Formats: sequence, C-alpha cells, structure tokens
Amino acid sequence: QSALTQPASVSGSPGQSITISCTGTSSDVGGYNYVSWYQHHPGKAPKLMIYDVSNRPSGVSNRFSGSKSGNTASLTISGLQAEDEADYYCSSYTSSSTWVFGGGTKLTVL
Amino acid sequence: QLQLQESGPGLVKPSETLSLTCTVSGGSISSSSYFWVWIRQPPGKGLEWIGTNDYSGSTWYNPSLKSRVTISVDTSKNQFSLKLSSVTAADTAVYYCGRHRGGSSSFDPWGQGTLVTVSS
Repeated sequence: QSALTQPASVSGSPGQSITISCTGTSSDVGGYNYVSWYQHHPGKAPKLMIYDVSNRPSGVSNRFSGSKSGNTASLTISGLQAEDEADYYCSSYTSSSTWVFGGGTKLTVL
Repeated sequence: QLQLQESGPGLVKPSETLSLTCTVSGGSISSSSYFWVWIRQPPGKGLEWIGTNDYSGSTWYNPSLKSRVTISVDTSKNQFSLKLSSVTAADTAVYYCGRHRGGSSSFDPWGQGTLVTVSS
C-alpha cells in the first residue's frame, strides 16, 4: 500500500489560516469517511486532532477543522498559534482492511 | 483517563525477533468497542501502521510486514504485545502502541513511544 501524499512543509504567520492536503485514491481516502489527522511534537505521543473526516475530539480547539473532496482530505488550522508548530499526519482506512498514513507535513509558524 | 506505555529492549540484533509490550492503565483492554494497534516511525520518516488486534484475537496486519509480525492481547495482564521477526536495520524505529475505536478512524490515545534500534 502506498503512503498518502502530503506536502512536506507549510508555513504561516500567527493569526493566519493554513490548509494541509492529504491525497489518496478511491481505495482509501475517496472510498471511506475514515480519515483522521494527528499532531506530533517530536519526542511526544501523537495527538488525535480530527477523526472520521471532520469530527473533533473533546478538548481539541475548534480552530482545527477537517474536510474531504474526492480523493483529497484537508486539515485547516485557523488563527495560527506558535503552539501549533508540529508535524501533522493524515491517515485513512483502505479497501484492504488496513490503515495507511501520509508522509507527514511540517508546519512552521513564522 | 486511559494511558498506554510501551516497554521492551531498545536494542535488537539483526535476524532476531523484536518484542514489545504495551501496558494499558485506566481502562480495560477487553472492551468490545476498541481495538489495539501498533504504529512505528523510522528516523526521519513518517508513520507506518503495523497492525491491529481486537480483544477477541482477530488481527489485521500491514501487508508489507504480515509475514513477520504477530500482535496478541493478554486480557489477564491488560497488555498487548508486538513481535516482529527477522529484523533488519530497516526496522529501526520509534514504536508506538495505541487504541483504535471500532467503527471510526480514531487512534487515541497513543503511548509515548519507544525507540528500538536494530544493530549488531
């Protein structure tokens, strides 16, 4: 199974909004509403930010939102804050009953 | 609050078997609503799903690792484990255990991760 495609890096200034894309195929992202997003600060446990495309777990800021169109899912962070600087990974269920992650995107807050 | 903690050797020799245990605290591993997952991250690379086990013993594995991996659950100890055989340097990674809520794409929470280095 091939990893989902994410941009290697994105950046934004405090207060701005950024969007991270996650592109797969009709056998994963496009075929199921089982896409999730994780925030990972190096040395710490990854944290679930969005599940099932657009659901936010309790305790996650409403500045984080998710969506999907066709084979591409997106994570949008609004009102960017310094603490948002981290690596972000998407994940999707696949038609083979497996899970696949994206290559990760490094978010830099300028 | 559910917590997971990985444990096991930090150094494994090539061709040997990597064995890790994840201890679950603050909740039961026997819940029918949840599955138990192992994920890894090689140095400088992204996350890779290794496999999943539900408490009844059903398993799903990454096709690229399927011939070498076993994930099992010990309900008496509230633990689940990972065994990866015939390891090579390519298996050097931080290994994470986590909980997967059935019927969703939610992997939450995760353990802190443990670095396993494959080297002679």
